[in-house]
Amino acid sequence: SQQGEEDPQALSIQEGENATMNCSYKTSINNLQWYRQNSGRGLVHLILIRSNEREKHSGRLRVTLDTSKKSSSLLITASRAADTASYFCATTQTGANNLFFGTGTRLTVIP
Amino acid sequence: DGGITQSPKYLFRKEGQNVTLSCEQNLNHDAMYWYRQDPGQGLRLIYYSQIVNDFQKGDIAEGYSVSREKKESFPLTVTSAQKNPTAFYLCASSNQGAKVEQYFGPGTRLTVT
Repeated sequence: SQQGEEDPQALSIQEGENATMNCSYKTSINNLQWYRQNSGRGLVHLILIRSNEREKHSGRLRVTLDTSKKSSSLLITASRAADTASYFCATTQTGANNLFFGTGTRLTVIP
Repeated sequence: DGGITQSPKYLFRKEGQNVTLSCEQNLNHDAMYWYRQDPGQGLRLIYYSQIVNDFQKGDIAEGYSVSREKKESFPLTVTSAQKNPTAFYLCASSNQGAKVEQYFGPGTRLTVT
């Protein structure tokens, strides 16, 4: 079953603007990861945030995690056309050995 | 070059035929995974293997089978029992199960007519 749900399903912005995507999940987690997928390709890992962390940065990416609300957000600052892709959150449930993926947000950055 | 490879990129089969998708990794990872992705959807777990000669069913294992005879290889067979086999199949590996990032192959797009 898909544990996470991203919001919005699709997002279209101008180059240079910031993009924010949200992920909600249902059960207790060990960690939450964000992945990127270009059309018709495999997924690429972006960032992992553990359940005891609240915020993490990597380059132009900022991820927050609120375990009380069971939600996470991914912020991409100063977006570029090359950021156009689908973005998925994935969670590791407590005691599980596999990832549960959300439904994804399709981001389009217009040059 | 280290990484995870899947072949072929595109595969076409007639209904009623079994087909095997290849997944190979040279990352020395213990864990390997197979996912299915349908258009506009997230990934759903088919099977996973934490160690050689052992594997577990995921959420949608019916109609699929796997083997893990070697650490670097985790082939997936889509059997004729799978009702809707047309999909994009992704293989992944990791070195500590789900505690760390997974590395994905480029995927195989299977079309069954």
